Parts: sequence; C-alpha cells; structure tokens
Amino acid sequence: QVQMVESGGGMVQPGTSLRLSCAASGFTFSSHGMHWVRQAPGKGLEWVALISYDGSDRYYADSVKGRFTISRDNSKNTLYLQMNSLRTEDTAVYYCARAHAPDYWGQGILVTVSS
Amino acid sequence: QAGLTQPPSVSKGLRQTATLTCTGNNNNVGDQGAAWLQQHQGRPPKLLSYRNNNRPSGISERFSASRSGSTASLTITGLQPEDEADYYCSAWDSSLSAWVFGGGTKLTVL
Repeated sequence: QVQMVESGGGMVQPGTSLRLSCAASGFTFSSHGMHWVRQAPGKGLEWVALISYDGSDRYYADSVKGRFTISRDNSKNTLYLQMNSLRTEDTAVYYCARAHAPDYWGQGILVTVSS
Repeated sequence: QAGLTQPPSVSKGLRQTATLTCTGNNNNVGDQGAAWLQQHQGRPPKLLSYRNNNRPSGISERFSASRSGSTASLTITGLQPEDEADYYCSAWDSSLSAWVFGGGTKLTVL
C-alpha cells in the first residue's frame, strides 16, 4: 500500500536550518509530483511547495520562497525539504503528500522553531 | 497568496445533510475544480474528492462534490458521528502557480 514517512523534524532555534525527508513506498515514486504541506498548531493547512515527478519544476508559497528548497531523489524514493533561516512562524507539523489532488499523505513531522 | 474561502463552522443534526462551500476564482476552482479533504483531530488529512466529484476508492457515496462557476461544494448525506471533523478544499491556482487551501470548515454533528 502507499506509504510515506517523514523524518528530520525537531526543535531548532530561529535562523538555523533543518532538512526534512519523506520516504515513499507502495507506488512508482518517479511518476508523481509531490507536495509539502504544513499545519501550525491549531491552524489550517498551508501549502509549502510542489515538485514535479522528475524534479524539473518547483513551486513555492510566498511565505517560504527563497528560504526553503524542495528536492527529490527518485533512485531513493525520497522527497526532501531543506529549510533555511527558520522563523518562529515556521513552527508546524509538516506533511508530504502525493500530487496532485493531493491524495496520499504521510503522518507528519513536527518542526518547532523557538529560542 | 490568496486562499479559498470556506465558512469556519457548520452544525447539523445526526442523519441530516450538510453542504460545505468553497469559493475561489476563475484561476483556481473555476479552472480545474477543487479537491476536498477531511481531517480528524490529530490525524493527517484524507482525500474525499478531487476535480469536483471523483471519489478515491473506499470513500463513501455519502460524500459528493460539485462545482458551480468558482464555487465548489461538498455534500454529506446521512450525517454520522464520525463525520465530525475539519474539511478543507484545495485547488491549483494557475495565475499564482501555487496550490491553495481554504481555511477549513469545522463540521459539528449534533
């Protein structure tokens, strides 16, 4: 069955960096675009970034543009989110999800940015 | 980035019908339609419908989606206690080159 498992979260200080990973299985990863979506505590869903099936196209929310980079390694069936210059407002549960609907979601990983 | 507009809350009785709305514009909902997701507290979202009324396998026929112009709707018939959750609409915005979400509607089943 389709499964996605996020890792790499944790608590970091403002201004630092973190890289999230999303290991996918149960489908042909290299045939699907992938999203990162986040949800701040008690808030709604916020789209973060989208990458095409082959990595050639990448799209970002204005709130993370220039700070976050989405990438993928199709040989490892893994999606990444490199997060730089983290701010307190980036605190959220981060989900990876299969594009485009998005139809399948990981369980999410918590990122806390706090001094 | 502008999002989609959803009412914050809707309350309906057990076995009644609830209709949730999602308003966008010609660049998102009015272009390629909307997807609907359900999220229970502490759980990841689950896709209910995409491109207006395509249901993934395993999703109950009690959930049906539609669109009129730039407004998408999700109708849930025969409300059950387990339908109490947050519901989000989402769509690709071709002018922003961005995926957008609505703010979510909290459905309460009385």
